[in-house]
Amino acid sequence: DIQMTQFPSTLSASVGDRVTITCRASQTISSWLAWYQQKPGKAPNLLIYKASSVESGVPSRFSGSGSGTEFTLTISSLQPDDFATYYCQQYNSYSTFGQGTKVEIK
Amino acid sequence: QVQLMQSGPEVKKPGASVKVSCKASGYTFTSYGISWVRQAPGQGLEWMGWISAYNGNTNYAQKFQGRVTMTTDTSTTTAYMELRSLRSDDTAVYYCARDRSRSASPDYFDNWGQGTVVTVSS
Repeated sequence: DIQMTQFPSTLSASVGDRVTITCRASQTISSWLAWYQQKPGKAPNLLIYKASSVESGVPSRFSGSGSGTEFTLTISSLQPDDFATYYCQQYNSYSTFGQGTKVEIK
Repeated sequence: QVQLMQSGPEVKKPGASVKVSCKASGYTFTSYGISWVRQAPGQGLEWMGWISAYNGNTNYAQKFQGRVTMTTDTSTTTAYMELRSLRSDDTAVYYCARDRSRSASPDYFDNWGQGTVVTVSS
């Protein structure tokens, strides 16, 4: 099984900050990686697929990069609506999620 | 618009089975797959498996092999997930999600159901 490791597990930031979350795969997954945002009590919402493709309707402040085993999700200027938990997901071989990164208000 | 409407909450005893349904609408059901993902209280997301609504092919996470069955009914555009031999650590919110993969292995998930709470308790 492919393991996905996300870090940090918690991130404290302020509105307007640039935020970066990292996801590392235990073996190469090419660009078969997605990112999701989840708010408490809600289903996850797709942000990024194929490592860097932004889903329709997602604000342009969200971007993704990476390939192989190392990936990042960047929020260029954190907005109040962005405080949530973020998950990466590999779909190169079956599917696995990272353990999540909670973005908190500093 | 794409909608995935899941069945209501369930309370089961250890050793029992649960079957959760996911009614799809707003798109061509057989052009996509359905993945099932669960989330235990306060925990992260866990992928359980995928089914093609096109040909019925399935891929299950190794952890659930032998205990889970995923099916679809194309006449009613509904997907089902049955989990057997329930334990207390199966208590979770179970989500169905539209999977972009039609006929091969799972892909990414662009629409999600609202979730079904399954509680396993004696």
